[in-house]
Amino acid sequence: GAGVSQTPSNKVTEKGKYVELRCDPISGHTALYWYRQSLGQGPEFLIYFQGTGAADDSGLPNDRFFAVRPEGSVSTLKIQRTERGDSAVYLCASTSNPGGPLHFGNGTRLTVT
Amino acid sequence: TQLLEQSPQFLSIQEGENLTVYCNSSSVFSSLQWYRQEPGEGPVLLVTVVTGGEVKKLKRLTFQFGDARKDSSLHITAAQPGDTGLYLCAGKGQTSGSRLTFGEGTQLTVNP
Repeated sequence: GAGVSQTPSNKVTEKGKYVELRCDPISGHTALYWYRQSLGQGPEFLIYFQGTGAADDSGLPNDRFFAVRPEGSVSTLKIQRTERGDSAVYLCASTSNPGGPLHFGNGTRLTVT
Repeated sequence: TQLLEQSPQFLSIQEGENLTVYCNSSSVFSSLQWYRQEPGEGPVLLVTVVTGGEVKKLKRLTFQFGDARKDSSLHITAAQPGDTGLYLCAGKGQTSGSRLTFGEGTQLTVNP
């Protein structure tokens, strides 16, 4: 079956611009996670959704970052006033078992120039 | 914040050698997962360990969860070039809800 899909795969934007990153989870998976990964590092937790609600957003670095999952399926990570330090690969994962094994997408590589 | 430290950070070996990578924390985890990640792709789950002292085998890979559930190891026997990748451990803490915390990873290169 289809896995987790993330679009775009690459995004280049200028400092100060707004970006949206999309995640299509595996059908039926109620839990959805966003992570950020810098080169050579492990994924850093950002936010976790259970259904439509954000169950844990403690990893969002500041108020420029926001994520939604309005219908409990597709999720969008939104970054306002992007900074060069936001450059990273943003990974999305879903699971039918919160806290259990995660199924990751291939990520969106964000580059802020 | 529960931290997972992985060692070594980098490992380069010849085909056929054995190796062990470690994942350590000062915190207790209710479960721990190991993932492997290749360039341009997301991490892929290898195994989940739940019980202290648990040992799981996946072909040439052996995973162990420490008795106190604070550490884990991954041992690879007779490594092959196809084992090359970033190996990540991820723990579910006792007080962190469903949040998974990842280690920094061990970048393994197996040379033919």
